[in-house]
Amino acid sequence: GQNIDQPTEMTATEGAIVQINCTYQTSGFNGLFWYQQHAGEAPTFLSYNVLDGLEEKGRFSSFLSRSKGYSYLLLKELQMKDSASYLCAVRGSNDYKLSFGAGTTVTVRA
Amino acid sequence: EAGVVQSPRYKIIEKKQPVAFWCNPISGHNTLYWYRQNLGQGPELLIRYENEEAVDDSQLPKDRFSAERLKGVDSTLKIQPAELGDSAVYLCASSLARGPETQYFGPGTRLLVL
Repeated sequence: GQNIDQPTEMTATEGAIVQINCTYQTSGFNGLFWYQQHAGEAPTFLSYNVLDGLEEKGRFSSFLSRSKGYSYLLLKELQMKDSASYLCAVRGSNDYKLSFGAGTTVTVRA
Repeated sequence: EAGVVQSPRYKIIEKKQPVAFWCNPISGHNTLYWYRQNLGQGPELLIRYENEEAVDDSQLPKDRFSAERLKGVDSTLKIQPAELGDSAVYLCASSLARGPETQYFGPGTRLLVL
């Protein structure tokens, strides 16, 4: 099975940077995903890491260290619309099943 | 391109009543997933289909939950009878294949059991 931990809440100011950490313990690993979910809406895909290192996509970057069971999502130049829940999800190697963390609610303040 | 479509968006029922949710995946996506998301939690997989075959239903409470995907396209998830603890958001997702493909989620059905 998978055990995935991420902080419950984070608050930051518009224009700032926020880093959301995710740690995991897995029985198999075949990739880590980050999803964004606005209140009452569907999770939307943000990023995917399967190899160690940093993946950058505009204002969002995601990092993975497989040996440490650790990932982070970095949100730069925060905007009000970035206020949402950010879900870390790990995919198993045998069944490709996605296991999600509980999500981190990010609140961006003016 | 249309995304994953789900209906209804909201449903309120009394306990012991039946309820059904419908999902139409992204065109061409062979793999379909049903998740349940409780308040303040991440989605939890209930069942996964490869075309019309249910290949992972280990987390589906089979005493009251059932699902079908008869023609390998749209799918229905049913609860009968519903219990108070079934109140949650039921999300449908699809992907091109079982492997490394990204899953895309629908807007979900928010169920409230009174």
